[in-house]
Amino acid sequence: QQQVKQSPQSLIVQKGGISIINCAYENTAFDYFPWYQQFPGKGPALLIAIRPDVSEKKEGRFTISFNKSAKQFSLHIMDSQPGDSATYFCAASNKGSSNTGKLIFGQGTTLQVKP
Amino acid sequence: NAGVTQTPKFQVLKTGQSMTLQCAQDMNHNSMYWYRQDPGMGLRLIYYSASEGTTDKGEVPNGYNVSRLNKREFSLRLESAAPSQTSVYFCASRESTGDRGYGYTFGSGTRLTVV
Repeated sequence: QQQVKQSPQSLIVQKGGISIINCAYENTAFDYFPWYQQFPGKGPALLIAIRPDVSEKKEGRFTISFNKSAKQFSLHIMDSQPGDSATYFCAASNKGSSNTGKLIFGQGTTLQVKP
Repeated sequence: NAGVTQTPKFQVLKTGQSMTLQCAQDMNHNSMYWYRQDPGMGLRLIYYSASEGTTDKGEVPNGYNVSRLNKREFSLRLESAAPSQTSVYFCASRESTGDRGYGYTFGSGTRLTVV
């Protein structure tokens, strides 16, 4: 029930195209859904995050779409650029009573944007 | 530069050897975490410290121990390294307020090989 399932494992997109990465969760107590971006040799960095009281959040070319009833959320990268080539992780957190802030991560998606 | 600093960046150990991975943050964050990253498995939580003086097991704690030395430092120890512990280890710390209340800041990682 703590899992977050991410797909696809890898994705190749042409420059200017739309990249879409999907995640699904089971634990309805999750209340925070961030996406992290990781470049080779670096640690993951927070990209964008959403809470379940909204269905969409947009920051520049990056949009999270959230479907609470389906327990799914996705990352859309508009006008994908070669510089977006990286590994992307979705994650989820349950504030709970302990408020530990533990994040459960998806398996990761390696995105390659071809020039 | 403010952030999370991990040492060493690379390490090769022989089976049965011990070592300590060091992590320090200078952002005055309360919570700190140790994750391991393996291909196709995302980031898995090893141990975490919700606040100074407390530590708790995560998803994959076997073979590891941790010490929260003070608010800044959180170390991870491998007492008797095994090849299954070959991985990339990331330390992270967490903000506690604002819309990015769960946003982690990650270090750049330690790449550990056990032979």
